[in-house]
Amino acid sequence: AQTVTQSQPEMSVQEAETVTLSCTYDTSESDYYLFWYKQPPSRQMILVIRQEAYKQQNATENRFSVNFQKAAKSFSLKISDSQLGDAAMYFCASNPYGNQFYFGTGTSLTVIP
Amino acid sequence: GAVVSQHPSRVICKSGTSVKIECRSLDFQATTMFWYRQFPKQSLMLMATSNEGSKATYEQGVEKDKFLINHASLTLSTLTVTSAHPEDSSFYICSAREGLAGGPYNEQFFGPGTRLTVL
Repeated sequence: AQTVTQSQPEMSVQEAETVTLSCTYDTSESDYYLFWYKQPPSRQMILVIRQEAYKQQNATENRFSVNFQKAAKSFSLKISDSQLGDAAMYFCASNPYGNQFYFGTGTSLTVIP
Repeated sequence: GAVVSQHPSRVICKSGTSVKIECRSLDFQATTMFWYRQFPKQSLMLMATSNEGSKATYEQGVEKDKFLINHASLTLSTLTVTSAHPEDSSFYICSAREGLAGGPYNEQFFGPGTRLTVL
């Protein structure tokens, strides 16, 4: 089994500022993917960013970037220039080569105007 | 990205009745679908994995006779909550993947979820 840990149940950030959400995971798989999903009040899961474990380069997607430390099994999400629409629950997830997702417990992000 | 729909989006039923939730992949063939359950302010917990044409694989602690899953076609999987009770009230989310496990990565797409309330 795999475990994903998000140690920050809640975070807040001032609009236009930068915030980093933490995630650690534990896996024995050699091939896997890591994800950050956003779940707004509508409950729809929205893919924020994806990282393939075999790639050393950190994934970026516009204002969103990750700091992937494979040896430390750490996968943090950085949101730059935070916007009000970024407020949501954020879930970190591991996915061993296309199989099921293992989700963390989530971090609730509040953006302060 | 691809679209996955769920129907109904919200259902209220009486205790003891059965409820069916549909999960459809609208523009791709989903060889595998996953069913998750999410309690308020909690994470998604995998209930079962359903492969088209074969029996679903249930996670430990999930009653297969209570949560019946049928993946009869490449675009449709159904979850039937039988003899529902108030403790079954939850948010149920499906996801669908094109392609086979262990093969080249195929992204999973999540449905919008179904809120079940059992009175």
